[in-house]
Amino acid sequence: AQKITQTQPGMFVQEKEAVTLDCTYDTSDQSYGLFWYKQPSSGEMIFLIYQGSYDEQNATEGRYSLNFQKARKSANLVISASQLGDSAMYFCAMRETPNFGNEKLTFGTGTRLTIIP
Amino acid sequence: ETGVTQTPRHLVMGMTNKKSLKCEQHLGHNAMYWYKQSAKKPLELMFVYSLEERVENNSVPSRFSPECPNSSHLFLHLHTLQPEDSALYLCASSQDRLGGPFTDTQYFGPGTRLTVL
Repeated sequence: AQKITQTQPGMFVQEKEAVTLDCTYDTSDQSYGLFWYKQPSSGEMIFLIYQGSYDEQNATEGRYSLNFQKARKSANLVISASQLGDSAMYFCAMRETPNFGNEKLTFGTGTRLTIIP
Repeated sequence: ETGVTQTPRHLVMGMTNKKSLKCEQHLGHNAMYWYKQSAKKPLELMFVYSLEERVENNSVPSRFSPECPNSSHLFLHLHTLQPEDSALYLCASSQDRLGGPFTDTQYFGPGTRLTVL
C-alpha cells in the first residue's frame, strides 16, 4: 500500500485564487512528520512547510498553510492568493519514527499545479 | 555559495562510461542523501550518509557507488549504467544524525539530469 497518496496529478487554477492540494497518508506510528515540497521546472526541491503529528495547530508559513486532519490521515496544502510563480510540482512527504537506518522521507507522486493568468 | 549544490546539472553518458556526480552542502549538516527521480514515479531514496558513514543502501544496484569523504561532500560514482537509469538525481542534506527529531528538514540541491544512451 502506498504510504503517501496524492490523487490530483494536475491542477489548473486562476491567478489570485486559493488552491488546495490533497495528500493522504498511511502510517501506524503515533509520532510522525509531514512535509510539503515545491519543485519548479529547474528541478530543485524547495521545502515549504512542516506539520508534526502532535502539533495541535495547523502549520502556516506565509501564503502556505497545512490543513491537518489527523483522524482522516490527511495533510492538504492550501496556497492562498496564488501567483504565477506558484506553477510547479508539489510533493507531500512523510517521516515516520526515526530509527536506525530509517532517516528517509516517503514521497507521494506529486501534483502539477499550473496558475493561469 | 549557500545551500546544497550539485554538479554537473546535466550529464549524457554512454553505457560503458564512468562518471561521477558531486554534491556539496554549505549548511553545516550531518546527514546527506541521494535520491532518484524518474518520470511519474515517487522519489526513490538511494543512499543515506550520517557523519560520513553509510547508514542505508536502499537495494541500489552496484553500478551506483556512493562516496562521502566528509560531511560536506557526497559523490555518486556511475559505471556501466543502463538506459533505465536515466533520471534526475537529487542530493539532500539535513541537520541531524540518526534518530533526530521529526522536524529535521531535508534541503535539496537542484539535481543532475542524467541521460544514458
